[in-house]
Amino acid sequence: GAVVSQHPSWVICKSGTSVKIECRSLDFQATTMFWYRQFPKQSLMLMATSNEGSKATYEQGVEKDKFLINHASLTLSTLTVTSAHPEDSSFYICSAGQVNTEAFFGQGTRLTVV
Amino acid sequence: KNEVEQSPQNLTAQEGEFITINCSYSVGISALHWLQQHPGGGIVSLFMLSSGKKKHGRLIATINIQEKHSSLHITASHPRDSAVYICAVSMNYGGSQGNLIFGKGTKLSVKP
Repeated sequence: GAVVSQHPSWVICKSGTSVKIECRSLDFQATTMFWYRQFPKQSLMLMATSNEGSKATYEQGVEKDKFLINHASLTLSTLTVTSAHPEDSSFYICSAGQVNTEAFFGQGTRLTVV
Repeated sequence: KNEVEQSPQNLTAQEGEFITINCSYSVGISALHWLQQHPGGGIVSLFMLSSGKKKHGRLIATINIQEKHSSLHITASHPRDSAVYICAVSMNYGGSQGNLIFGKGTKLSVKP
């Protein structure tokens, strides 16, 4: 099956710094990728839809200036958490897929901001 | 907006038991997904259904479109099946894959 690779799998950073998370589709082209966030004991929630070559679409309540998304190629989307705060500590996961296929997920990134 | 409800939230079973996890949703969908999330957080897609029934090894997934309901069954459960099982639905928009809307998950623990 298709493979989506996400990196890093975990990261610890200091408050105020920025963290970049990469999501790559390894064997298919993904015009659309999705970024989700999961807080402990809660369900995954969509943060934004990343569209290759255009601006990302953010869900209500997600700050686009804080969570920068770049989808510069058909195989790579990046999520940058800028000026990270402890409340940004969460599990971030990307997914990609094509119409009428199963969803393929990255391994996820556990972010801890100290 | 689609609401995805799963039951039960937690499930403990003895090894070998037959397990059923249920999922219901509120509006029409293009597909329903059953996902498995392990303690480390990684998510694996088990099934994608738009109608009928699918089987893979000891796992069986069914969907009733009219009733907006799906079930995931595990036969002869094993401790390695312990994980969180998540139901998610997707809706296509103009031919593109829409995002997934997730249920809260069912935490399954299979005791030896």
